[in-house]
Amino acid sequence: DVKVTQSSRYLVKRTGEKVFLECVQDMDHENMFWYRQDPGLGLRLIYFSYDVKMKEKGDIPEGYSVSREKKERFSLILESASTNQTSMYLCASSLTPTSGYTFGSGTRLTVV
Amino acid sequence: SQQGEEDPQALSIQEGENATMNCSYKTSINNLQWYRQNSGRGLVHLILIRSNEREKHSGRLRVTLDTSKKSSSLLITASRAADTASYFCATDRAGGTSYGKLTFGQGTILTVHP
Repeated sequence: DVKVTQSSRYLVKRTGEKVFLECVQDMDHENMFWYRQDPGLGLRLIYFSYDVKMKEKGDIPEGYSVSREKKERFSLILESASTNQTSMYLCASSLTPTSGYTFGSGTRLTVV
Repeated sequence: SQQGEEDPQALSIQEGENATMNCSYKTSINNLQWYRQNSGRGLVHLILIRSNEREKHSGRLRVTLDTSKKSSSLLITASRAADTASYFCATDRAGGTSYGKLTFGQGTILTVHP
């Protein structure tokens, strides 16, 4: 089975800190995605990547950046964390556009 | 507004009953997918139905798709307490190069009582 691993389950950071959320998949998937999940808002796409060093903005990219230097790793970066970025962050990968996503377990980030 | 919107927002049933959840969307799609999320965890892919398909089965799951009404339904038959979870529909919009980028609805919370 494909595994998507997010480095931290829970994270607490201070306002203004630079935060790195790491995601690694082990099955050579081309596409990787970062979503955030908030009550009442569902899942919203932040960024996605369809190849190494290739990335595209999703629906809510403001305040975030990403890095994909290797195929298996897709990092989400909060340049200067703010309290409104407190959320559950979910990473996912897919082999093809029609193969469905495999999700990681999520990182619950609290910014204080 | 949401591309995928589930209905109802919450559903409470007894074990053994069937559970039906609905999803409506606004734009043309390549496919529609259903996912399940247990409390506070990542989502698990359940089933994918393509825009040219009308019905699909997987175990106790039955999904229908009506592209003329832009709607889908997920039926879970003979539900079990272990089916308690949130269920999300997600759409891959048609047109352009989407790379399979999905837009998710807000989900239906299903509670199955033993």
